[in-house]
Amino acid sequence: GQNIDQPTEMTATEGAIVQINCTYQTSGFNGLFWYQQHAGEAPTFLSYNVLDGLEEKGRFSSFLSRSKGYSYLLLKELQMKDSASYLCAVRDRANTGKLIFGQGTTLQVKP
Amino acid sequence: SAVISQKPSRDICQRGTSLTIQCQVDSQVTMMFWYRQQPGQSLTLIATANQGSEATYESGFVIDKFPISRPNLTFSTLTVSNMSPEDSSIYLCSAHQGPTEAFFGQGTRLTVV
Repeated sequence: GQNIDQPTEMTATEGAIVQINCTYQTSGFNGLFWYQQHAGEAPTFLSYNVLDGLEEKGRFSSFLSRSKGYSYLLLKELQMKDSASYLCAVRDRANTGKLIFGQGTTLQVKP
Repeated sequence: SAVISQKPSRDICQRGTSLTIQCQVDSQVTMMFWYRQQPGQSLTLIATANQGSEATYESGFVIDKFPISRPNLTFSTLTVSNMSPEDSSIYLCSAHQGPTEAFFGQGTRLTVV
């Protein structure tokens, strides 16, 4: 079956660094996506990984290990506006394109 | 990146009625999808909207309940038919532009009373 696991909730302090983990077990793998979703809004695309390693985009970085079925999203210099849900999604096959989503991690940033 | 316009943004509907949600993309995209997000939960794929042919539905979703159209590469509609309170949810349109990016519309918040 298809399974994507993330922690349900995390709390961190403004200015700190937080790492949100995602593990997956899918029938195939053709890329992993991270999205940010603020309450009442649509998901916003953050990053895409298909090869092993770290992808950096400003304060956000995403890491992938395909052999371990593992990814993380790293948020640096946390700001209050980073309080949101973070969704991990796997595309299991290239030809279908569809994404399978984890349950999301709600991050609360405290002053 | 593609810009996706979805409407209506929200609606309150009577049970037994139907609502059609529209999704317009500002550029041609290869793939379009419809998702549902129930309160406090993650996204569940309803179907892949195929251009010029019938949509491909995921397990638990059927065409009679969620008919989908995609007449061209920039537009799709999802109809929620014969609504019940259990259909109250956020419905999201998604479009893929190449293999590395997948975007969402702003969503339609549906309440069935």
